[in-house]
Amino acid sequence: KQEVTQIPAALSVPEGENLVLNCSFTDSAIYNLQWFRQDPGKGLTSLLLIQSSQREQTSGRLNASLDKSSGRSTLYIAASQPGDSATYLCAAYNFNKFYFGSGTKLNVKP
Amino acid sequence: NAGVTQTPKFQVLKTGQSMTLQCAQDMNHNSMYWYRQDPGMGLRLIYYSASEGTTDKGEVPNGYNVSRLNKREFSLRLESAAPSQTSVYFCASSEVWASGDPEETQYFGPGTRLLVL
Repeated sequence: KQEVTQIPAALSVPEGENLVLNCSFTDSAIYNLQWFRQDPGKGLTSLLLIQSSQREQTSGRLNASLDKSSGRSTLYIAASQPGDSATYLCAAYNFNKFYFGSGTKLNVKP
Repeated sequence: NAGVTQTPKFQVLKTGQSMTLQCAQDMNHNSMYWYRQDPGMGLRLIYYSASEGTTDKGEVPNGYNVSRLNKREFSLRLESAAPSQTSVYFCASSEVWASGDPEETQYFGPGTRLLVL
């Protein structure tokens, strides 16, 4: 059974900092790895999807990398803004299912 | 284009009552999913439907039943609610390749907040 872990559980940074969120998974035979954003009281919004054959994906200030051999993915946020404050979840897909981490709650202080 | 919609948004039940959570998607996706989200535990898959007419158990199916009514709609039923089923429930959909693997990301509904007293 796939286990997905996200560290840290919470992170508070001043505006403008570059930051890295971590995601690890126990089974490297994944089909893809996705990062989602969740605002309080809302559903999940997809940020980036990395196929198993890819090493990274970029969207604006966001960059996600994937290292299947080590079972790790990172989400890099450049020049953080207060509007980036949310919970970020990663999900690994294999065995016909998505397996989610418990998320990192990010607070960007003005 | 509404994406994934869920009803109701909030519900309070007494132990032993039953209810059905409704989900509909307008993206013509084949696969649909039901998750529950509890504090500190991420999202856990309850049931999923790879295509119309099929359903399969996820990680935490006990106490729930599902119906894939048609390609658009996937409902989740609690036959006899228990306090342990207090949670936020999310429905999601995605398109899949013929192999069953996802073609693209999952799209989520806004969630149903359920409190069982």
